[in-house]
Amino acid sequence: KQEVTQIPAALSVPEGENLVLNCSFTDSAIYNLQWFRQDPGKGLTSLLLIQSSQREQTSGRLNASLDKSSGRSTLYIAASQPGDSATYLCAVRPSGTYKYIFGTGTRLKVLA
Amino acid sequence: EPEVTQTPSHQVTQMGQEVILRCVPISNHLYFYWYRQILGQKVEFLVSFYNNEISEKSEIFDDQFSVERPDGSNFTLKIRSTKLEDSAMYFCASSVERTTYNEQFFGPGTRLTVL
Repeated sequence: KQEVTQIPAALSVPEGENLVLNCSFTDSAIYNLQWFRQDPGKGLTSLLLIQSSQREQTSGRLNASLDKSSGRSTLYIAASQPGDSATYLCAVRPSGTYKYIFGTGTRLKVLA
Repeated sequence: EPEVTQTPSHQVTQMGQEVILRCVPISNHLYFYWYRQILGQKVEFLVSFYNNEISEKSEIFDDQFSVERPDGSNFTLKIRSTKLEDSAMYFCASSVERTTYNEQFFGPGTRLTVL
């Protein structure tokens, strides 16, 4: 059964720092992995999707990497800003399914 | 930019009552999903829907739940007889295709409170 874990559960950093959020999954048989942002009481905003054949994807200050064989993904945020404060969720889509399986998220706070 | 919309944003109901949560997926999307998130817990998959049929469902999606696409734009989740443990945020999502790319776009959610 696929399990998704995110470390750390919470992170507080000063503005301007570069930071890395980690996601691990137990079964490497996935179609893709998607990173989301969730603001308190709000929906999920898709940030990046990495297909299983890809190693990384970039969007602006965000870079996500995928090492499928070791069951790991990282989300790198460059030059963090207070507006980046949110919960970041990692989700994997197991092969042969339509669903995403989510991690518990990393709650990020960027201090001005 | 096209987005998934959901109504109502908050629904309060009494235990045992039926509720219908509504979603309008992105217009050219063909695949539709419901997820839920109990407060403080992970987002959990409920069901996926394509071509007027359920394509996959989780163990949570029992006989109390049903989904429907009543017209060309709406996608609904019905809970027949609500329980206290159904209190959660319910998210609708849609995707344009089901290939390995399958980027799912989520709506803002409906917060369901069962009293």
